Amino acid sequence: QSALTQPASVSGSPGQSITISCAGTRSDVGGFNYVSWYQKHPGKAPKLMIYDVSNRPSGVSYRFSASKSGNTASLTISGLQAEDEGDYYCSSYTSNSTFYVFGTGTKVTVL
Amino acid sequence: QVQLQESGPGLVKPTQTLSLTCTVSGVSISSGGAYWSWIRQHPGKGLEWIGYIYYSGTTYYNPSLKSRLTISVDTSKNQFSLNLSSVTAADTAVYYCARRTRYADFDYWGQGTLVTVPS
Repeated sequence: QSALTQPASVSGSPGQSITISCAGTRSDVGGFNYVSWYQKHPGKAPKLMIYDVSNRPSGVSYRFSASKSGNTASLTISGLQAEDEGDYYCSSYTSNSTFYVFGTGTKVTVL
Repeated sequence: QVQLQESGPGLVKPTQTLSLTCTVSGVSISSGGAYWSWIRQHPGKGLEWIGYIYYSGTTYYNPSLKSRLTISVDTSKNQFSLNLSSVTAADTAVYYCARRTRYADFDYWGQGTLVTVPS
């Protein structure tokens, strides 16, 4: 099962918006509304930011939004802040026997 | 506040069994409604789902690891465990435990523990 494809890095200035893509196939991203996004800071536990394509868990900033079109999901961070720096991973349910597939990860840098 | 914490040896010799435990606090595993999961990340690589267990003991494993994998639960200690046998250097990774309550996302994770298998 191949990982979902994400850009290795995305950067932006404070206050700007950035978008991270997550490309999959009809067997995962395109076939189910079960895409989630995670934020990872060094030495910290991954944090769920988005579930079921576009839903924010309680406590996650409204600046994080997400969507899906075809086989590609996207995470947008608006009003970029220094605390948003870190690694971001997408994940999807898959019809493959592995059940879940994760993205390759994107390093977000705030300039 | 739900918290998960991994524990276990950081170094395992080749051919031996990697054993990790995840201690859960803030919620009872036996209350149901959640699948308790293991996920790993190889150095410089993406995440890989290993498997999960329900409080009843029902397990689901990644087929690529199934022949070497056992996940168990101890509800009296509010812990669940991972045993991966016959390890090689390819099993070197940061191992995370996590909770799944909805269909396909993991809402709480441990900080992760690095396990190294020397080549």
